[in-house]
Amino acid sequence: QTVVTQEPSFSVSPGGTVTLTCGLTSGSVSTTYSPSWYQQTPGQAPRTLIYNTNTRSSGVPDRFSGSILGNKAALTITGAQADDESDYYCGLYVDSGIWMFGGGTKLTVL
Amino acid sequence: EVQLVESGGGLVQPGGSLRLSCAASGFTVSTRYITWVRQAPGKGLEWVSVIYSGGSIYYAASVKGRFTISRDNSKNSVFLQMDSLRAEDSAVYYCARGVVAKNAFDIWGQGTVVTVSS
Repeated sequence: QTVVTQEPSFSVSPGGTVTLTCGLTSGSVSTTYSPSWYQQTPGQAPRTLIYNTNTRSSGVPDRFSGSILGNKAALTITGAQADDESDYYCGLYVDSGIWMFGGGTKLTVL
Repeated sequence: EVQLVESGGGLVQPGGSLRLSCAASGFTVSTRYITWVRQAPGKGLEWVSVIYSGGSIYYAASVKGRFTISRDNSKNSVFLQMDSLRAEDSAVYYCARGVVAKNAFDIWGQGTVVTVSS
């Protein structure tokens, strides 16, 4: 069974740039999978950052960007801020009416 | 304001049933696809089910045959009937609104907690 993979954890310095990735245990992620990215802080509902690979959701600052890098989807945060410290999940549309999420990346800003 | 509000969670014994509600405001549920996503304690997000504006319905393999998604346009709400509940169904259940033609979700509710335990 195919699994969506993400780095379990990542660290970035304030003001720095970090790229989180989203892959598949079998195959490559392409725009066909309509990659999306969600941010979640403890005790809160997810917040949509990016959909359709690289479209920012309403109100999301432009320091968040999405892309395809090689065979993975990627979320890049430029100029990381303290309140970017969160869990980040990618979502893939894997089949008609079926989605899968990655296990999430815990981002630390320090 | 566009908003989704879940309700109906609670404590239920294994094998029991629960019906979750997702009430929408600021938009009409019949014009968007609405999904349910759950998150077990300390775990990641897991997609559960979706109902499209045209009525098509899909489920994750882990809940197929036990959960039923439905919609009541007069109440502008979507429901998740959960039967034959198991301990592993314990989670926060979120409903979310689909982005038109983009296979993603843009608005999320605050979630409702389901605990399956004897």
